[in-house]
Amino acid sequence: GAVVSQHPSRVICKSGTSVKIECRSLDFQATTMFWYRQFPKKSLMLMATSNEGSKATYEQGVEKDKFLINHASLTLSTLTVTSAHPEDSSFYICSAEERGGSHNEQFFGPGTRLTVL
Amino acid sequence: AQTVTQSQPEMSVQEAETVTLSCTYDTSENNYYLFWYKQPPSRQMILVIRQEAYKQQNATENRFSVNFQKAAKSFSLKISDSQLGDTAMYFCAFMKLSYSGAGSYQLTFGKGTKLSVIP
Repeated sequence: GAVVSQHPSRVICKSGTSVKIECRSLDFQATTMFWYRQFPKKSLMLMATSNEGSKATYEQGVEKDKFLINHASLTLSTLTVTSAHPEDSSFYICSAEERGGSHNEQFFGPGTRLTVL
Repeated sequence: AQTVTQSQPEMSVQEAETVTLSCTYDTSENNYYLFWYKQPPSRQMILVIRQEAYKQQNATENRFSVNFQKAAKSFSLKISDSQLGDTAMYFCAFMKLSYSGAGSYQLTFGKGTKLSVIP
């Protein structure tokens, strides 16, 4: 149980285009989902916290108009990188907290590698 | 704000030997969780072990155990009988537990330790 999927696993896009990344909890309902960014050989940096049916809470320094987060259902959150530029190239990871769970575990997706040319 | 420090960027260990990865953290909170996550080359984050701050007993999971020193704010991971499959990045993480306010239930990660198990 507690499986989180991400789609796509890899995406290459041209500079200026927008890219949408999906994060799904496959066998549980996720009240809260988290989006992280990981640069090569670096740690995970929290970008935003997404609660179902409400606006995402962004960490300091993360542009909310650049990284649009939608959490429309208890099993799906999306991250859209708008007008992507090469510096947005990174590994994006989502995690999900189970609804009614004890808050002490996040289940991670396999990540999405974004390359902006 | 919480900070998590992993002072060993890279470590190596012979197969079947024991290795300890260090982690220290800084917080003014009294109620929190600590975690060790493993990220193998596949990049999938895998929970290795977790420790509740209110528990004095150190957590263990098979070959993995922690040495939790709350007063010293230290949380090291010991891997016994190291196996080739243990080769990965290991991240120490902190989670504040509070029922309201910013940062609740969010994970703060250390910079990671790259562990290589040598045959």
